[in-house]
Amino acid sequence: AQTVTQSQPEMSVQEAETVTLSCTYDTSESDYYLFWYKQPPSRQMILVIRQEAYKQQNATENRFSVNFQKAAKSFSLKISDSQLGDAAMYFCAYLTGTASKLTFGTGTRLQVTL
Amino acid sequence: GAVVSQHPSWVICKSGTSVKIECRSLDFQATTMFWYRQFPKQSLMLMATSNEGSKATYEQGVEKDKFLINHASLTLSTLTVTSAHPEDSSFYICSARDLGPSSYNSPLHFGNGTRLTVT
Repeated sequence: AQTVTQSQPEMSVQEAETVTLSCTYDTSESDYYLFWYKQPPSRQMILVIRQEAYKQQNATENRFSVNFQKAAKSFSLKISDSQLGDAAMYFCAYLTGTASKLTFGTGTRLQVTL
Repeated sequence: GAVVSQHPSWVICKSGTSVKIECRSLDFQATTMFWYRQFPKQSLMLMATSNEGSKATYEQGVEKDKFLINHASLTLSTLTVTSAHPEDSSFYICSARDLGPSSYNSPLHFGNGTRLTVT
């Protein structure tokens, strides 16, 4: 079974600074997809960024980018120019290409300070 | 963008009663919907996969007779918590994937969740 590990329960970053959230996963498959979701206090799940495993290029979405290391099974999220609105729980998620089920990591709570 | 509506957003019920939670895809069709449960400060745990027109697929450890899932149309799935007990109190979230040609790897669209409190 696939597992997703987020080793940082909590992180803190100052406004306008950069922070990196870690995620590792375990799988024997070669075809899969990785996602970062944000869950603010409203508890709405919001897609931040996605990465296809077959793509070597790291995905970017405005201030959000990933460092995808397939061999190391690592998928970290970098948030640049952090804003107060970035404060939330961040979940790393893995989607198998066959079973179509999304497996979530344990989450990292990000605080953004002034 | 794709919208998933979940209702109710919160519900309080007495122990022993049943509660139905609805999940609707408003602007797209979904043959598959997913039901998650989230305890406070914890991650989302997949409970079951709801398949339109067929039986739901439950994850290991989830009681299918307690958590009844019905997916009668391409836009509606319901989760009924039967004979609810205080330990069933939790946050339940549904999600759906757009029924597009390459939908299997498209992002899930999530409902806003339902906070269930059983007294």
